[in-house]
Amino acid sequence: GAVVSQHPSRVICKSGTSVKIECRSLDFQATTMFWYRQFPKQSLMLMATSNEGSKATYEQGVEKDKFLINHASLTLSTLTVTSAHPEDSSFYICSATPGGTNEKLFFGSGTQLSVL
Amino acid sequence: QQQVKQSPQSLIVQKGGISIINCAYENTAFDYFPWYQQFPGKGPALLIAIRPDVSEKKEGRFTISFNKSAKQFSLHIMDSQPGDSATYFCAASYSGSARQLTFGSGTQLTVLP
Repeated sequence: GAVVSQHPSRVICKSGTSVKIECRSLDFQATTMFWYRQFPKQSLMLMATSNEGSKATYEQGVEKDKFLINHASLTLSTLTVTSAHPEDSSFYICSATPGGTNEKLFFGSGTQLSVL
Repeated sequence: QQQVKQSPQSLIVQKGGISIINCAYENTAFDYFPWYQQFPGKGPALLIAIRPDVSEKKEGRFTISFNKSAKQFSLHIMDSQPGDSATYFCAASYSGSARQLTFGSGTQLTVLP
């Protein structure tokens, strides 16, 4: 199946710093990428949808200035958590689709962010 | 987002038993219903999926049963194994939503040896 690579898998940072998470589609061009946040023992919550070359669409309650999303190419989307605080600690997961049917959706392996 | 309600929250099954997880949805526009398996610290992996034009789909030990009139679908894991211990999420999407998934709340499955 198609592969979506997410990096890093784990990051620990100090409060106030910014952290960038990368999501790459390795064997297809991703017209749309999604970013999710998952707290322990909870479901995946959609944060934003990004389409290549356009601004991301953020879900209600997600601060766009806090969570910067860039989808500059058809194989790469980045999520930057700016001025991270301990409450931003979470598991972040991306997914990507080449378009076509809604069956073609592939997930990355996730990034565990811990803010000290 | 339209809700997808999942139950139970946790499930303990003996090895060799049948694990059953249920989901119910509201949005009749949903036309794709996948199940995902997630291990700790990993992203979700597609297990099996169904479209509403069939009532059942089986892949190995995993079966989805779909009841369109009741707006419910369920995952059955036959001959459950300790390696099946994971969190399972049902989800739903519709073709017009750019493949955006709505997830259930998850079921923590533990299969005892």
